Amino acid sequence: EVQLVESGGGLVRPGGSLRLSCAASGFSLSKYTMTWVRQAPGKRLEWVSSISGSSSNIFYTRSVQGRFSISRDNAKSSLYLQMDSLRVEDTAVYYCVRVKAGAGTAWFDPWGQGTLISVSS
Amino acid sequence: QSVLTQPPSVSGAPGQRVTISCTGSSSDIGAGYDVHWYQQLPGTAPKLLIFANTNRPSGVPDRFSGSRTATSASLAISGLQAEDEADYHCQSYDSSLSAYVFGTGTKVTVL
Repeated sequence: EVQLVESGGGLVRPGGSLRLSCAASGFSLSKYTMTWVRQAPGKRLEWVSSISGSSSNIFYTRSVQGRFSISRDNAKSSLYLQMDSLRVEDTAVYYCVRVKAGAGTAWFDPWGQGTLISVSS
Repeated sequence: QSVLTQPPSVSGAPGQRVTISCTGSSSDIGAGYDVHWYQQLPGTAPKLLIFANTNRPSGVPDRFSGSRTATSASLAISGLQAEDEADYHCQSYDSSLSAYVFGTGTKVTVL
């Protein structure tokens, strides 16, 4: 069974840092682009960052560029998101998601259960 | 920022058919990018429902169907059931932002 399990969430002060981890099982992580998606309370889903299987291609949404860093360790079947200079508006549930790609298209499946990040003073 | 627009809520009685629209722009759906749909049951993570406009993953009932026009897409639920009460999200890609984009989300209520 394909499974993604996030960890590392919690309460942090504005300006602080957190590192999220995602443990993947049931598939070969190295073969897939992976993504972090977040959902603030009562808000729509928001794509945060993606990393290709070999880590050669990395992308971020503009609001986290320069503050967040995505990485992966295929040998450990793990995905990470280092979040620095956190802001109140970063408060959200963060999901680890596998990217499935077709011809010129990509969708997200499956999703982890999510981990909550609360940024508050 | 590009936002795919969905109605905030739709409702229907058990057995009825409801549709959810997802309206984009010339840089996302209008640029030819596919639309995908996710179901999010209360308190859970999203789950893939429809991929590449019209395709259902294994295990998704055929009550769920997707369609797409030049700049919009729709999700239809026929034979509405109580277990379909959830939030539904569309997703595509925006070439001007170089980013994946999601819809505003629609809450389906079964009366």
